[in-house]
Amino acid sequence: SQTIHQWPATLVQPVGSPLSLECTVEGTSNPNLYWYRQAAGRGLQLLFYSVGIGQISSEVPQNLSASRPQDRQFILSSKKLLLSDSGFYLCAWSVAKRGPDEQYFGPGTRLTVT
Amino acid sequence: AQKVTQAQTEISVVEKEDVTLDCVYETRDTTYYLFWYKQPPSGELVFLIRRNSFDEQNEISGRYSWNFQKSTSSFNFTITASQVVDSAVYFCALSEHGSGNTGKLIFGQGTTLQVKP
Repeated sequence: SQTIHQWPATLVQPVGSPLSLECTVEGTSNPNLYWYRQAAGRGLQLLFYSVGIGQISSEVPQNLSASRPQDRQFILSSKKLLLSDSGFYLCAWSVAKRGPDEQYFGPGTRLTVT
Repeated sequence: AQKVTQAQTEISVVEKEDVTLDCVYETRDTTYYLFWYKQPPSGELVFLIRRNSFDEQNEISGRYSWNFQKSTSSFNFTITASQVVDSAVYFCALSEHGSGNTGKLIFGQGTTLQVKP
């Protein structure tokens, strides 16, 4: 069966510090991968998605970046965090095929920028 | 442009009551897919259902049922005999066939359901 992992689970970082959040998927190959952010009390905003190794699409301009160095690994990074980067970050995967498929989400990382 | 609206921000019911969560969507595609997800207090989103635009049959799964009506662009979710464990934020989402193999989802803002004992 497929599983998705995210770490760390929680993170408190000062403004201006770097960030690296990691997401890995097990039990499937060549998945579509996604990074979402959920601000407190709000819906989910798609930040990045990837349909293959090295292929990253950004949905919103921001100081975050994403990379996919391996087929089942998706990394969210920042060189300098802003207060507005605080939120709940969710990674998700789906089967890559011609039609949209349901996405399966990881447990999330709660980031607080102080 | 595609959009998903969940007009109910918060709903509070007493255990065993039935409750319906509304979802209205906008899309120009003739082929699209609709989803419901549950987000319990732990934070992880749990997939509940996927429905394509050509299948308007209502679906029932235990205490959960979904009513898809293309004429009103709605995909409502009903929980029968609610339980405290149903307390969560529920999200409706849309994916257009025109998004190709990216599978991008557009989420509504979510409805927070509180079921009181």
